[in-house]
Amino acid sequence: KAGVTQTPRYLIKTRGQQVTLSCSPISGHRSVSWYQQTPGQGLQFLFEYFSETQRNKGNFPGRFSGRQFSNSRSEMNVSTLELGDSALYLCASSFLLDREGTDTQYFGPGTRLTVL
Amino acid sequence: LAKTTQPISMDSYEGQEVNITCSHNNIATNDYITWYQQFPSQGPRFIIQGYKTKVTNEVASLFIPADRKSSTLSLPRVSLSDTAVYYCLVGDIQGFQKLVFGTGTRLLVSP
Repeated sequence: KAGVTQTPRYLIKTRGQQVTLSCSPISGHRSVSWYQQTPGQGLQFLFEYFSETQRNKGNFPGRFSGRQFSNSRSEMNVSTLELGDSALYLCASSFLLDREGTDTQYFGPGTRLTVL
Repeated sequence: LAKTTQPISMDSYEGQEVNITCSHNNIATNDYITWYQQFPSQGPRFIIQGYKTKVTNEVASLFIPADRKSSTLSLPRVSLSDTAVYYCLVGDIQGFQKLVFGTGTRLLVSP
């Protein structure tokens, strides 16, 4: 089974621009979460989508947004880029069912965004 | 999600067994314990998950005492390729989609 894929793997933008990152979850996974990783702040949760709806949101400004499509693929958008947005953006998917038990998130390789 | 405390770094040599302990004093009844491994510039990789006692898979073992206030990830016979950051996370199924990562433990395996 193919893993989580993210495109592009590397991206260079300048301040003020906007960027869209894409994530394709593992086949059958319905939940997609996004994380930002920086040397200073570590891994931080951005938001999570399930069935095209945002269910959970982290503590990030409104410049960070996302969406999920009917095939569970997800995109993340960052508008008005700032230097501090330079980071590794990670997408993770999980096969969430309405049942008791555990669940596991599987991460993609990430998109390395550099803002100049 | 319950807060976790891990050692910032650990050193080991090839072939040795490595045990990384995580403290989670405020773990709740419905919480599970999950460990991830991360290499530089890559996404975290799921290692193991457990609720109580002992869990073993082809990669590691997870030991959880009866009070569940701590857990120990055991990596048998480590190799150079096990050099990575290891994260301990605690939470229930509602929190699995919004993982809270701590600083992790940076394991360095030397020849």
